[in-house]
Amino acid sequence: NAGVTQTPKFQVLKTGQSMTLQCAQDMNHEYMSWYRQDPGMGLRLIHYSVGAGITDQGEVPNGYNVSRSTTEDFPLRLLSAAPSQTSVYFCATARGNEQYFGPGTRLTVT
Amino acid sequence: KQEVTQIPAALSVPEGENLVLNCSFTDSAIYNLQWFRQDPGKGLTSLLLIQSSQREQTSGRLNASLDKSSGRSTLYIAASQPGDSATYLCAVSPRRSNDYKLSFGAGTTVTVRA
Repeated sequence: NAGVTQTPKFQVLKTGQSMTLQCAQDMNHEYMSWYRQDPGMGLRLIHYSVGAGITDQGEVPNGYNVSRSTTEDFPLRLLSAAPSQTSVYFCATARGNEQYFGPGTRLTVT
Repeated sequence: KQEVTQIPAALSVPEGENLVLNCSFTDSAIYNLQWFRQDPGKGLTSLLLIQSSQREQTSGRLNASLDKSSGRSTLYIAASQPGDSATYLCAVSPRRSNDYKLSFGAGTTVTVRA
């Protein structure tokens, strides 16, 4: 099992560009989420999903969109990137008491 | 809003010394508390999970305690090794089960000197 996979690992965008961060899991977990990690701060929740077709906002949703058409995939879209979105992005799944994190995508917006 | 604080932000110890990492949270209405390890450029690995009804959990050289009423948890790592060098994060879950939204501290970066 691959667990939680994220692509790309690194990305550089110019201000105003759009892109999609991919997240996939092969554990058949209903719950998936996106966090961002910034220096000196804890991970902060962006969006989450409790199952296919259901998404909701977390603590810092502005500037990000998500959709969940399948159990396996939970892409995060940046419609118009801003320098404030420079961060490391983590996707996670959960079942029971366990949470599983992907390796992260390091995004730089210039 | 739950606030999670970890002190110290960084710690450097010689090999063999015991490590004590602290985590505090403002809202005691939690479902569980987890300690994660993060290596540079990597994702998070769960180390220990303590349910709100428990006082401590142990795994090998790691021991985590929880005092929910005072909003504190401590992670002890016995006989530290250079391989323990990493950032340690604590995170709390809200009161309801099946609510997996975590509130994280900023982490303690540990360096164990050989």
